[in-house]
Amino acid sequence: AQSVTQLGSHVSVSEGALVLLRCNYSSSVPPYLFWYVQYPNQGLQLLLKYTSAATLVKGINGFEAEFKKSETSFHLTKPSAHMSDAAEYFCAVSDYYSGGDKVIFGPGTSLSVIP
Amino acid sequence: GAVVSQHPSWVICKSGTSVKIECRSLDFQATTMFWYRQFPKQSLMLMATSNEGSKATYEQGVEKDKFLINHASLTLSTLTVTSAHPEDSSFYICSAHDRQGETQYFGPGTRLLVL
Repeated sequence: AQSVTQLGSHVSVSEGALVLLRCNYSSSVPPYLFWYVQYPNQGLQLLLKYTSAATLVKGINGFEAEFKKSETSFHLTKPSAHMSDAAEYFCAVSDYYSGGDKVIFGPGTSLSVIP
Repeated sequence: GAVVSQHPSWVICKSGTSVKIECRSLDFQATTMFWYRQFPKQSLMLMATSNEGSKATYEQGVEKDKFLINHASLTLSTLTVTSAHPEDSSFYICSAHDRQGETQYFGPGTRLLVL
């Protein structure tokens, strides 16, 4: 079975500071990993995805994430936070590589950006 | 990326009535769509997988007769909440795979309030 944990349900950073959102996964098969962002009362927008190619994945809005198999992690980072980054962030895992089609979401991390 | 729409975005109904939510893939065909439910400040919970031309696959604990899913075409899946009650009030989000099947793209969500 697959699962995702996100350390820290709420993260606050100052504008211009580094953003680090943590994600660890559990999967018995090579995982596909995703980061989604959700703004209030909206659906989810894909930030980036890892699909067994390069371990460092660059996404939209300056975000990137690094897949570390030894640590079973897929942390999301951004060098400099912007006010518009304040949102809910979800890490997710799927077993697409092995023919599955379900996506399992982590509990989410709410990011606040302090001016 | 692929575009998924939902209609309506907001619905308020009386207890005991049925509500239909539509999910459409606008620029691609989706043989499989997914329906999620999200409570405030919580993550997405997969309710069911909607398969075009066949019965939906429901997750454990989801009432099939309560949440009717119809995937009659390659671009449309509908979720009907039958005999809605206040505890059914939630944010319902649908998603569909892109052409490669690797990534799920999400609709903007439908907020249901049952009075």
